[in-house]
Amino acid sequence: GQNIDQPTEMTATEGAIVQINCTYQTSGFNGLFWYQQHAGEAPTFLSYNVLDGLEEKGRFSSFLSRSKGYSYLLLKELQMKDSASYLCAVRPLSGGYNKLIFGAGTRLAVHP
Amino acid sequence: DTGVSQDPRHKITKRGQNVTFRCDPISEHNRLYWYRQTLGQGPEFLTYFQNEAQLEKSRLLSDRFSAERPKGSFSTLEIQRTEQGDSAMYLCASSSHNTSGRARTGELFFGEGSRLTVL
Repeated sequence: GQNIDQPTEMTATEGAIVQINCTYQTSGFNGLFWYQQHAGEAPTFLSYNVLDGLEEKGRFSSFLSRSKGYSYLLLKELQMKDSASYLCAVRPLSGGYNKLIFGAGTRLAVHP
Repeated sequence: DTGVSQDPRHKITKRGQNVTFRCDPISEHNRLYWYRQTLGQGPEFLTYFQNEAQLEKSRLLSDRFSAERPKGSFSTLEIQRTEQGDSAMYLCASSSHNTSGRARTGELFFGEGSRLTVL
């Protein structure tokens, strides 16, 4: 089966750095995704890791360790608009298609 | 790029009624997914289509739920004899099997969702 854990809520200050952790257990692994979801809106793609290491994209970076079943999303220079839920999702190694299994999400509140 | 569109955006219905949601994926995407999301939770996988073929159904999809994608383009999700526990956001997503460029990640592109409230 699959199990994905991430903190339920986090708070941070505008301009600061925040790290959102995700641990997973899956039957096979074929990539890890981070999505951002503002309240009442669709999830939007942020990052993708399939190999160990850090992927950087502007203010956002994502790290993966497959041996530890661990990833984190790093948000730098936080802005108020970064207040959202951040969803960690794993693509199991099955079926040859792109089904994603999502965690419950981490609600991030950025305050002045 | 019109993105993934879903209709209706909101539906309020009485218990026992049938409802149908429609999803129009990104035109060049051959893969289409339905997810369900409740408050404070991540999206839960319901079913998946490759072209017109429904290749996987989650155990969450009871006999009251049926999904179709008759011509490999738009899809419909019907819920019969709705129950209060069916109240949720129903999200549709599409993806491409294209292995070039950014599409090689296989990321899912989500629609805005159809919010169902069963009274």
